[in-house]
This record gives sequence, structure tokens and C-alpha cells, in this order.
Amino acid sequence: ETGVTQTPRHLVMGMTNKKSLKCEQHLGHNAMYWYKQSAKKPLELMFVYSLEERVENNSVPSRFSPECPNSSHLFLHLHTLQPEDSALYLCASSQDESYEQFFGPGTRLTVL
Amino acid sequence: GESVGLHLPTLSVQEGDNSIINCAYSNSASDYFIWYKQESGKGPQFIIDIRSNMDKRQGQRVTVLLNKTVKHLSLQIAATQPGDSAVYFCAERLNNAGNMLTFGGGTRLMVKP
Repeated sequence: ETGVTQTPRHLVMGMTNKKSLKCEQHLGHNAMYWYKQSAKKPLELMFVYSLEERVENNSVPSRFSPECPNSSHLFLHLHTLQPEDSALYLCASSQDESYEQFFGPGTRLTVL
Repeated sequence: GESVGLHLPTLSVQEGDNSIINCAYSNSASDYFIWYKQESGKGPQFIIDIRSNMDKRQGQRVTVLLNKTVKHLSLQIAATQPGDSAVYFCAERLNNAGNMLTFGGGTRLMVKP
């Protein structure tokens, strides 16, 4: 185990649903990330939080809304998603001064 | 957590042989590189990293080589084992880009017993 947990592991939702993905890190890190991994593209960075402040929003549609209430927890709120948003969503964490990112197991999301 | 890319290049090797996985990176201003391994059902796992002021770094059974002239990175795995079967990704960090990593598309390594 990497010390980064994600729930749920699998999620199926309709296009009109609202759901949230949760990530928790037990490593004492102060930076957290959301990535999207789909079949047709390399791993894509979505959001970066450092010291609980968002430092990067990589042109992600507004139907994805991140939240970082503290340095150990990261959420990704989902609403009115599209079928093409179906993918594996990975959370990672790191220390600011270290580039090694530790990944969680991911949430497999299917949008019907 | 597997990468299900339908067009992932695949490397098939015999158990005990050495494996070489290659990666071409895009930006000459990148100053840091990482190799990750992703097994089925899991997130990417750090293997080894290298900074741009080096051309070789060794770990346990793994070696990373960096050729900045042709922007090429390779991962060598010695005495490949069935547990090495996974998708391998390289990632680069643009100089002064903080913690932002850009990932390559990945290579699937299959180890035949």
C-alpha cells in the first residue's frame, strides 16, 4: 500500500447524477493531485493542491469541482458528466520539495 | 487501476532476460524524469528517477539512462521476473514547473515464464 486511499473504487453514474470521489493520504504530505487516466490518452493532470490551495487547474471542465478541506483529504465533486468522462481517476500526494508522487489505486468511473 | 489503452506498445520478454523500455520526451527544458510501474488494479508506483544533470542512475535491478541530445529515456530491468509484468510510464518535469509532471503513453511489459 502506498498510503493513499481512494473511495469508492468503482462508480457508475448517470449524466444527471451528482457524486463525489474521495482521496485520503496518510503520509504527511502537503500537496495532492487529481489525474484522469483514459483509454485513449496518457495520464492527464487535472488539479494540484499545495498547502490546501489550488495551484493548478489544467483546463478542466467545470463539471469537475475539486475540494481540499485539509492537507490529508481531497475530493472531486462530479455533476452532469458526459460518457466521455468515463475513466480511471487517480489521486496522488507528495511533499512540495520532493517530486515523487505517491498514487492511490484509483476510482473506476463509468458514466452512462 | 490498469491502463487499458488499446494502442499501448507491448514488450514481451522471457523470464530471466533483461528488458529495455524506451521513452521519448518532448521538452528539452525538462529537468527531472521518473519511471512509474502500474500493475493491474493499482495506481502507478514509483520505480526510479533521474535529474537532467545525470545520464545514468541505478537502483535495485533497474537502471535509467538519459540521453538529452536525442531526448530519450530508457529503463533497463535486469533478470526480468513475472512480477515485473505491468505497464511502465515515463514522466518529465518541465524546469521550474513545480510538481507538474507530464506522462508518456506507457509500454506494457509481458514476462513469459
